Amino acid sequence: KNQVEQSPQSLIILEGKNCTLQCNYTVSPFSNLRWYKQDTGRGPVSLTIMTFSENTKSNGRYTATLDADTKQSSLHITASQLSDSASYICVVRRDLYSGGGADGLTFGKGTHLIIQP
Amino acid sequence: DGGITQSPKYLFRKEGQNVTLSCEQNLNHDAMYWYRQDPGQGLRLIYYSQIVNDFQKGDIAEGYSVSREKKESFPLTVTSAQKNPTAFYLCASSISTGRGYGYTFGSGTRLTVV
Repeated sequence: KNQVEQSPQSLIILEGKNCTLQCNYTVSPFSNLRWYKQDTGRGPVSLTIMTFSENTKSNGRYTATLDADTKQSSLHITASQLSDSASYICVVRRDLYSGGGADGLTFGKGTHLIIQP
Repeated sequence: DGGITQSPKYLFRKEGQNVTLSCEQNLNHDAMYWYRQDPGQGLRLIYYSQIVNDFQKGDIAEGYSVSREKKESFPLTVTSAQKNPTAFYLCASSISTGRGYGYTFGSGTRLTVV
């Protein structure tokens, strides 16, 4: 069964500190992995998309890593700001050309991050 | 500015009523999607459309219907057959359903049954 597990479920850190969010998946065959940021009551906004051959990808203070062998990804946030308070969602897409239907995406439940001043 | 617009932001439905959620995009994207988000759960796909006048059921299509008469518009109707419609509904679009294309999401509609 295709699954995406995120940890921790929630996290509270002080402003200015770094943090790392984890994503483990069992989706197969793998196509790409996406990280989204979702503010409360808003739609998700894309942070990164990583394919099989990419190990690291950065977007400002956000750095995502991917280990396709162990099926793990992480999202590292550097020098956190109050505006980083949000849910972070890991999404894995399976390769639809290998079969299967719909959009091929499996969404994690998200990590709820709170930045305290 | 290009984007995807959902309306209304909040919607209240009485038991037995059908309601329609609007989704409009001006990104010239071919593919559009509807997702449902419930607390503590990942997004679940309701319907998607790869091109005008074509759409397919997602994982939880029962009790919902859609149409795609124009490239820009993909409205979702929540029918009275949907027994638990209270949720946050998200519309998204992408250039196509190809593997490398990211999604642009709307701001969502929160539907509550009263």
